[in-house]
Amino acid sequence: SAVISQKPSRDICQRGTSLTIQCQVDSQVTMMFWYRQQPGQSLTLIATANQGSEATYESGFVIDKFPISRPNLTFSTLTVSNMSPEDSSIYLCSVAGTLNGNEQFFGPGTRLTVL
Amino acid sequence: GESVGLHLPTLSVQEGDNSIINCAYSNSASDYFIWYKQESGKGPQFIIDIRSNMDKRQGQRVTVLLNKTVKHLSLQIAATQPGDSAVYFCAENRETGGFKTIFGAGTRLFVKA
Repeated sequence: SAVISQKPSRDICQRGTSLTIQCQVDSQVTMMFWYRQQPGQSLTLIATANQGSEATYESGFVIDKFPISRPNLTFSTLTVSNMSPEDSSIYLCSVAGTLNGNEQFFGPGTRLTVL
Repeated sequence: GESVGLHLPTLSVQEGDNSIINCAYSNSASDYFIWYKQESGKGPQFIIDIRSNMDKRQGQRVTVLLNKTVKHLSLQIAATQPGDSAVYFCAENRETGGFKTIFGAGTRLFVKA
């Protein structure tokens, strides 16, 4: 399995500011993803983080609001820009494509509260 | 549009009983379906999956059934234990056209001791 860590684990931010969330995997993976999970709801895919190229965003998510980096096979960042209270959510990093196959693993999440 | 959804938002069962969690999906193009368990404060954890060309798969205390005729997926947990209390999500994955996993709405399972 892949062990995923996220920083920060939680944060409280002011409206209009930006927060960058880091995701670190303990092994090289082919695919990395970012999901959002609003309170009491399911997970929604934000984007696929592509190494060496721009991320692939799902409908309703744009690069200006959620810029993503993936400099190598074990690390990615998601920035939540110009935050509003509606961005309060849990943001989860996910990976797939390890040496053992395409099973998908999830990080513990970053709980973001925007005031 | 395509969706993966669940029939019951909450399920309460007695310890030792069997649990059945149901899920409906609308996209027939999925390559396989997955059940995840999410405990409070944690990310989803893989339980079991089933390829679209199968109708049943068994794991340790869990069984997944796939009925493609009615586009229905279920997770059966045998001898439910307090540690099984969590939110369970069904999800579908398509490998063609780009690996992507779409989640359903979730069912919260309460196990009464």
